[in-house]
Amino acid sequence: GENVEQHPSTLSVQEGDSAVIKCTYSDSASNYFPWYKQELGKRPQLIIDIRSNVGEKKDQRIAVTLNKTAKHFSLHITETQPEDSAVYFCAAYNNNDMRFGAGTRLTVKP
Amino acid sequence: NAGVMQNPRHLVRRRGQEARLRCSPMKGHSHVYWYRQLPEEGLKFMVYLQKENIIDESGMPKERFSAEFPKEGPSILRIQQVVRGDSAAYFCASSPGQGGTEAFFGQGTRLTVV
Repeated sequence: GENVEQHPSTLSVQEGDSAVIKCTYSDSASNYFPWYKQELGKRPQLIIDIRSNVGEKKDQRIAVTLNKTAKHFSLHITETQPEDSAVYFCAAYNNNDMRFGAGTRLTVKP
Repeated sequence: NAGVMQNPRHLVRRRGQEARLRCSPMKGHSHVYWYRQLPEEGLKFMVYLQKENIIDESGMPKERFSAEFPKEGPSILRIQQVVRGDSAAYFCASSPGQGGTEAFFGQGTRLTVV
């Protein structure tokens, strides 16, 4: 089955700096890669996603890049704000089976 | 269209009792995933079901745990003879399952075994 690895497990940045979280996946047939944000005590919620026929997608301060050859994808958050502090999960989706990375705890210091 | 509904939100069980966690997917969604989350940790895949079928249960412990998604009614995650190590948040997610689409999560059930 699919195996998703995510790095780093924790990330601390200063407000205004950029944050980058990286994931790799094992199954080349995976074709959909969502990113979820989970705030303390809440459910994970989708923040951005990318499909395998696209290399990059941007939504305001958030962008995701996908390298199918290398089987890795990354989340980029620019101009970070304290409210970006949360746990972020990447996922890879293949044939309706979705597997998550272990998560990255992002702390944005004011 | 109500979101994914999980109940109960909080469940306390004594060691040896049974825990039944329910997940009603969003309307029109026929795919359900269950995940376990220990405090300060990530989402660990447990099982993936479609209506009346278990598609992938590779993340389920071999004993005491079972899951179902009947033709009618919610998906049920059942834990028999609970132990303290079963204490965790259990999340379900549902999707329409059409070639890679967003999965929506429920609020989770926080199981505490005392």
